[in-house]
Amino acid sequence: DGGITQSPKYLFRKEGQNVTLSCEQNLNHDAMYWYRQDPGQGLRLIYYSQIVNDFQKGDIAEGYSVSREKKESFPLTVTSAQKNPTAFYLCASSSKALAGSYEQYFGPGTRLTVT
Amino acid sequence: GQSLEQPSEVTAVEGAIVQINCTYQTSGFYGLSWYQQHDGGAPTFLSYNALDGLEETGRFSSFLSRSDSYGYLLLQELQMKDSASYFCAAFRDSNYQLIWGAGTKLIIKP
Repeated sequence: DGGITQSPKYLFRKEGQNVTLSCEQNLNHDAMYWYRQDPGQGLRLIYYSQIVNDFQKGDIAEGYSVSREKKESFPLTVTSAQKNPTAFYLCASSSKALAGSYEQYFGPGTRLTVT
Repeated sequence: GQSLEQPSEVTAVEGAIVQINCTYQTSGFYGLSWYQQHDGGAPTFLSYNALDGLEETGRFSSFLSRSDSYGYLLLQELQMKDSASYFCAAFRDSNYQLIWGAGTKLIIKP
């Protein structure tokens, strides 16, 4: 089955620690995205990547870092510099290669709690 | 700035029809998408409008008016499983970046 996997589903960390959230897709999609969702709010773009070895900052990139060494993988590191890291993190992908492609496919999300 | 406005909550009765509105303000606009998200779950794609008019997919329809910077999602024959949050999202440029509304929580009563 094609899809996006994120692990773990729940993650707990102490303040001051870096943590890496994984995102893997087997949809052969070119573009991948990381979003953050806070309770009662919409999704905010952290980083996105349209091609391997290239990525761009979204609206709230401060305190986060990413890499795109393989087409299938787009891990997100939440660093200790992120002032309020507790949130629901969603990874998504889309096929930008197709004309008119507009649907983003989402993984199940990782709920990060930092205390 | 760039923003999308939608009501925070809508209540409807099972079997009825409900409309969720979305107005947008973006410097560039390439189309309006709608996503459904159940509590604790991931958003799933419902529809996309690039041009003015109505797009119908089963019980769900979506409408766009570019001149009014306005769109809506119409849900017919409501079922209890439709209880979820619904988000409008707009492509703001050709790089497939979406900006999202805050979501509308749809509450369905029997």
